[in-house]
Amino acid sequence: AQKITQTQPGMFVQEKEAVTLDCTYDTSDQSYGLFWYKQPSSGEMIFLIYQGSYDEQNATEGRYSLNFQKARKSANLVISASQLGDSAMYFCAMREGLTGSQGNLIFGKGTKLSVKP
Amino acid sequence: GAVVSQHPSRVICKSGTSVKIECRSLDFQATTMFWYRQFPKQSLMLMATSNEGSKATYEQGVEKDKFLINHASLTLSTLTVTSAHPEDSSFYICSALDRGSYNSPLHFGNGTRLTVT
Repeated sequence: AQKITQTQPGMFVQEKEAVTLDCTYDTSDQSYGLFWYKQPSSGEMIFLIYQGSYDEQNATEGRYSLNFQKARKSANLVISASQLGDSAMYFCAMREGLTGSQGNLIFGKGTKLSVKP
Repeated sequence: GAVVSQHPSRVICKSGTSVKIECRSLDFQATTMFWYRQFPKQSLMLMATSNEGSKATYEQGVEKDKFLINHASLTLSTLTVTSAHPEDSSFYICSALDRGSYNSPLHFGNGTRLTVT
């Protein structure tokens, strides 16, 4: 079974509107971390936001927020006021366990977001 | 913020030659670095985990004799693709974990696009 599932291969959003990118995860660990990265066409991986399994508040970073529903094992990324520069691939990732298996991240397959002017 | 430098960004080589890719953490010490491979329109696939001063741990299916990893210092890891073949053409991206920061994001290099002719 996949550890990280992103069910939306592609998404479109109108500029200035909000968009939610879905992510569900599968783990039996109590301690884990969830991350979102953005990958523009140039290829670099840009860290956006982090949510720890024990964090009670949803994480927010500027226009990015994470809708964390622990019981559902979902960690959806919400981008508010979309901009043309938000067009990119978005990856959800997880780090499991206290030691984090040396810190490796397990990535989902990604969602390609296209922002329309 | 933490910066990881990866060189070269692009390389074209002939079949049978070897290519070395460098990954440096510029402003922090990275006890652990990770090497990923990414095929077009796909997710990142972990190839190996590199710890300073010890042998790399390779993921199942990754040929350790073909993809040589050396983590000689806390700021430098190298990946050498030996006797490259066209099927080795791909996007290779390294990442580094800041020491002692379990819940910190992986910091990625900008990736290397390898084309083997």
